[in-house]
Amino acid sequence: GNSVTQMEGPVTLSEEAFLTINCTYTATGYPSLFWYVQYPGEGLQLLLKATKADDKGSNKGFEATYRKETTSFHLEKGSVQVSDSAVYFCALSDRTGNTPLVFGKGTRLSVIA
Amino acid sequence: GAGVSQTPSNKVTEKGKYVELRCDPISGHTALYWYRQSLGQGPEFLIYFQGTGAADDSGLPNDRFFAVRPEGSVSTLKIQRTERGDSAVYLCASSLIGLGNEQFFGPGTRLTVL
Repeated sequence: GNSVTQMEGPVTLSEEAFLTINCTYTATGYPSLFWYVQYPGEGLQLLLKATKADDKGSNKGFEATYRKETTSFHLEKGSVQVSDSAVYFCALSDRTGNTPLVFGKGTRLSVIA
Repeated sequence: GAGVSQTPSNKVTEKGKYVELRCDPISGHTALYWYRQSLGQGPEFLIYFQGTGAADDSGLPNDRFFAVRPEGSVSTLKIQRTERGDSAVYLCASSLIGLGNEQFFGPGTRLTVL
């Protein structure tokens, strides 16, 4: 079945540091890939997505590129801020239509000033 | 407009009791999903509705769990004979129908079974 594996946290970075959170997936066919973020005390929010190979999703300075050859969708940001402290979830959905998301376990990021 | 809302935000119950969790999706969203998130884990799929019917209930862990969406809008997740292992945050999400459409999540209901 489909699955998502992401790097375990917690990750602690200083402000303005470079961020990478690794995510790899196993899926039949060609899934859509997502990064969701959960800020403290808030619900899950879509951060970015990519629906086909080599697509790059981007939002709020975060980027992730859909790499079919390595089955990866790593999240990156060049300069993190304290406000980026949150839990980040990588997820996939089957491209056949509206299907449930399969999530990774989440990576907690703490950014310190 | 309003987002997805869930009530109650917290529910504490005793082992063996029956609970109902409610989800109000975004108006016009035909697709509705229930997920369960245990501590330190990502959300896990429970059931998916397209309109009034359950299109996929393969994630329901056993027959103590049941969900309805009688008018294609509000949904209720029902758990009978609750067990301590049912303690988790129950998340609801809704979306438009179509490939790759974003699922919008509610704030969740934290269920604690004593």
